[in-house]
Amino acid sequence: DTEVTQTPKHLVMGMTNKKSLKCEQHMGHRAMYWYKQKAKKPPELMFVYSYEKLSINESVPSRFSPECPNSSLLNLHLHALQPEDSALYLCASSQAGALGGDTQYFGPGTRLTVL
Amino acid sequence: GENVEQHPSTLSVQEGDSAVIKCTYSDSASNYFPWYKQELGKGPQLIIDIRSNVGEKKDQRIAVTLNKTAKHFSLHITETQPEDSAVYFCAARSNTNAGKSTFGDGTTLTVKP
Repeated sequence: DTEVTQTPKHLVMGMTNKKSLKCEQHMGHRAMYWYKQKAKKPPELMFVYSYEKLSINESVPSRFSPECPNSSLLNLHLHALQPEDSALYLCASSQAGALGGDTQYFGPGTRLTVL
Repeated sequence: GENVEQHPSTLSVQEGDSAVIKCTYSDSASNYFPWYKQELGKGPQLIIDIRSNVGEKKDQRIAVTLNKTAKHFSLHITETQPEDSAVYFCAARSNTNAGKSTFGDGTTLTVKP
């Protein structure tokens, strides 16, 4: 089963709200990723967790806070977002610690709207 | 860092025709080249991939070719169907780049019935 699940599918939040996005995979993958995708653009990497440790932070603002509670779960905590943060947030996973030759499997994404 | 260019940005074909999308990359250390299909409102789905030790790979109507010398790779879809309509992204990954994927800007493919 090559499935990555994400909840919620849609999220609308105000600039003062705190919310969380959740991602889950049961493929035994040890690398998990957060991407941000704007309309008609490719995904932009935000964070990479490898063996439950944060290995890459692509200079993402601190209003985005990732968390990897265990090898199957990945969260993205949101606080004090701006309207320009509205986008599709994608989670992905790959098998063995974010190596270059690893296939990434994407979830369906969470469509976030910040009012 | 790696730079991936993808062409064309839009492609319209008649049902049954072939479609070809091309990508070039800059980092000679890149060794893994996936292609993703993204339908409206969904996440990217891997449709085919190729590694640097292989020149061509085929899966039914879809094929990918890789020219390491010229640093380009192409997606070929034969006998296109309306359900092939989507945005297609190429990507390149390298062991020297901490597992980051560099994506092309995408090609919007429209297959007209």
